[in-house]
Amino acid sequence: DAKTTQPTSMDCAEGRAANLPCNHSTISGNEYVYWYRQIHSQGPQYIIHGLKNNETNEMASLIITEDRKSSTLILPHATLRDTAVYYCIVRVAAGGYQKVTFGTGTKLQVIP
Amino acid sequence: GAGVSQSPSNKVTEKGKDVELRCDPISGHTALYWYRQSLGQGLEFLIYFQGNSAPDKSGLPSDRFSAERTGGSVSTLTIQRTQQEDSAVYLCASSSDSLDNQPQHFGDGTRLSIL
Repeated sequence: DAKTTQPTSMDCAEGRAANLPCNHSTISGNEYVYWYRQIHSQGPQYIIHGLKNNETNEMASLIITEDRKSSTLILPHATLRDTAVYYCIVRVAAGGYQKVTFGTGTKLQVIP
Repeated sequence: GAGVSQSPSNKVTEKGKDVELRCDPISGHTALYWYRQSLGQGLEFLIYFQGNSAPDKSGLPSDRFSAERTGGSVSTLTIQRTQQEDSAVYLCASSSDSLDNQPQHFGDGTRLSIL
């Protein structure tokens, strides 16, 4: 499995953009980058995923570098409800089997 | 639409008892996964079901753990003769396919406490 490295914690002022980095330097050519988050006492929530191109949805934007060795999740206008642990993962596929493995993630604290 | 539903949300039981945890996946999702998450830890994969194929049980920690999926929908995770180290949050996820680009959607889990 390609491993990911994320900062342990980050703070962001409410209303500002939160930029969460992730390093995945050993990613394979056909592996996707996924982002999930987990708010206390809830299950992980899917945010966004991408392969090569930058992606945007109603929750966030995902910027993947050209060499695909790193990516950044952008929450354009962080709110207090975005306080959570954010996980960057690389999907592993073997014959269609898709295990999800989370590392320690980044604890994002949105400050009023 | 309805997400992944798990029950019970909390379960407290005595050491040595059997427990059953239930997962209702999103309607139409063919892939179903069980994970557990211990306090402050990441996800530990337990078992995976895909359609009518034989499940991948490679993550089950011992033969006290078993799971079934009836009719390709609802799944039950059973832990026999529970031990204190089984205390964790048990998470279920489903996805519409097993292809790379289909995200897994998680339930809120069952918090299991073994006294």
